[in-house]
Amino acid sequence: GQQLNQSPQSMFIQEGEDVSMNCTSSSIFNTWLWYKQDPGEGPVLLIALYKAGELTSNGRLTAQFGITRKDSFLNISASIPSDVGIYFCAGPLTQGGSEKLVFGKGTKLTVNP
Amino acid sequence: DSGVTQTPKHLITATGQRVTLRCSPRSGDLSVYWYQQSLDQGLQFLIQYYNGEERAKGNILERFSAQQFPDLHSELNLSSLELGDSALYFCASSVWSRPGREQFFGPGTRLTVL
Repeated sequence: GQQLNQSPQSMFIQEGEDVSMNCTSSSIFNTWLWYKQDPGEGPVLLIALYKAGELTSNGRLTAQFGITRKDSFLNISASIPSDVGIYFCAGPLTQGGSEKLVFGKGTKLTVNP
Repeated sequence: DSGVTQTPKHLITATGQRVTLRCSPRSGDLSVYWYQQSLDQGLQFLIQYYNGEERAKGNILERFSAQQFPDLHSELNLSSLELGDSALYFCASSVWSRPGREQFFGPGTRLTVL
């Protein structure tokens, strides 16, 4: 089953607005990855977080690794039309002796010009 | 461009058939991961190979198999195809042996089973 809960499921915003989305889990993660996927394309890695409390920026994007290690946040400042897409969080989970990357269901972002 | 290539881009086939999807990782990456993305299940990990050896298995059906060749490219074989196998299939590559580090995704293969 799905291990990561992303919210909101979708967002409709005006160009220039700031955006916040988050990802929570009942399990502790030691890594959080944030990806963006455009329609018909593969996910593109935006930010990787490896330490609880870590705050990392990539241009207008900022992500934080929650102190509890059970959540992470992604913020986009001054949104532009090309920010449209689906944003996924991901983290490694060990199940049945194997470690795998699990993904949230995504936050779909629509930016109105 | 992530540096990961996948072929073909689109594949249309019939139920009961067998197909092979191909992936070439980024130069220098030893790990290849395969994922299935469907509307209802999201991105699901199928299998990982590291330097030619199977490293981890996820929700991969017995009808599906994969391998990684000495030149590090990988193939995912899907057999006895069913309508429900229609999905986007992605491969990702990484320099790391463990999945909890950066993975770089290819553009995907869209499989349609009719």
